[in-house]
Amino acid sequence: GEDVEQSLFLSVREGDSSVINCTYTDSSSTYLYWYKQEPGAGLQLLTYIFSNMDMKQDQRLTVLLNKKDKHLSLRIADTQTGDSAIYFCAEPIKAAGNKLTFGGGTRVLVKP
Amino acid sequence: ETGVTQTPRHLVMGMTNKKSLKCEQHLGHNAMYWYKQSAKKPLELMFVYSLEERVENNSVPSRFSPECPNSSHLFLHLHTLQPEDSALYLCASSQEGPGGGEKLFFGSGTQLSVL
Repeated sequence: GEDVEQSLFLSVREGDSSVINCTYTDSSSTYLYWYKQEPGAGLQLLTYIFSNMDMKQDQRLTVLLNKKDKHLSLRIADTQTGDSAIYFCAEPIKAAGNKLTFGGGTRVLVKP
Repeated sequence: ETGVTQTPRHLVMGMTNKKSLKCEQHLGHNAMYWYKQSAKKPLELMFVYSLEERVENNSVPSRFSPECPNSSHLFLHLHTLQPEDSALYLCASSQEGPGGGEKLFFGSGTQLSVL
């Protein structure tokens, strides 16, 4: 199928690390993406990883890619209240002309 | 500020009304998109325009009618909608090209309620 799957909800204490997981379907995807949606706003591109990489670090964000298992994760270090949002992973689907298919989103709630 | 502006932010309409959603991008992109975001479904791609030509129409009911008069503006015309059409409608733009078409810039959306 063409489903990109994510867990629905994650609760984390301020200062702890958050890990958001995603499984994808198209092994030919060149890039895989994480988007963030804050309350009352549209989606914003957060980070992405090239498919020939295992890991990408960008300040507090670490993206891990396991191509064998088609598993993508986003780790947020030192989670802040401003990180409370919905996080979407997305992959381009070759069969759909490389248009992005989004997961259902993981709602992250950061508690003080 | 993402460079993509949508109006109105909120819209309430009856099933017999006709209304339009507007999107404008100031990024010089050449592709624009309409997405539907419902409470319990993944983000659904509705329409794609590339260089002002519609290249994607994902089996969207005819009560939704897109219009792209130029590369900076995109409209979604609505008529005789159903209550299940209530959702957040998101506009996005991108620059088509290797990898570029996947980096989408979204507006804040129009929250639509159909009574």
